[in-house]
Amino acid sequence: DVKVTQSSRYLVKRTGEKVFLECVQDMDHENMFWYRQDPGLGLRLIYFSYDVKMKEKGDIPEGYSVSREKKERFSLILESASTNQTSMYLCASSLIRLAEETQYFGPGTRLLVL
Amino acid sequence: QQPVQSPQAVILREGEDAVINCSSSKALYSVHWYRQKHGEAPVFLMILLKGGEQKGHEKISASFNEKKQQSSLYLTASQLSYSGTYFCGTEEETSGSRLTFGEGTQLTVNP
Repeated sequence: DVKVTQSSRYLVKRTGEKVFLECVQDMDHENMFWYRQDPGLGLRLIYFSYDVKMKEKGDIPEGYSVSREKKERFSLILESASTNQTSMYLCASSLIRLAEETQYFGPGTRLLVL
Repeated sequence: QQPVQSPQAVILREGEDAVINCSSSKALYSVHWYRQKHGEAPVFLMILLKGGEQKGHEKISASFNEKKQQSSLYLTASQLSYSGTYFCGTEEETSGSRLTFGEGTQLTVNP
């Protein structure tokens, strides 16, 4: 079974702090994704990566950055956390071709910024 | 562009049927359906590909109208375990290997 793990299930941070969210997948997937999920808005793509050291902006990249130094690990960074970044953050991974197999999600990190 | 799901919410009694729709304004290559229970990660249900191929859950059926860029998920003889939020994710022909998700349909199945 595909396994996508995220470093924390719950995080509480203060405004202005630098926040790191980490995601690890064990299926040698090329693609990795970061989403945020808010009530009534569904899943919105923040950043994604097709390969090591490669990144692409998603639909809502402002206020975020990412890092992919190893194939299995994809980190989301909030350079200076703000209260409007309070949300559920979901990581996902997939093969290079989504038609072969869908993407798989991690359990999520619920972030509260005070 | 985000696909549109309908209805936004539906309440059923156990054993009843439901249909959830997903519509896009873009040309699609595939549609992926997920179910998410409260506090958990979305779980894959089904992929529908342009050309008619389907992969996924044996007890759930779905359709993909390529001309209209619409997909429907059919939940028949619903069980309590079907409760959750259903999302469609669309892969556009020009977007590469990424999905754009709808806002979700909240399904509640009561005894």
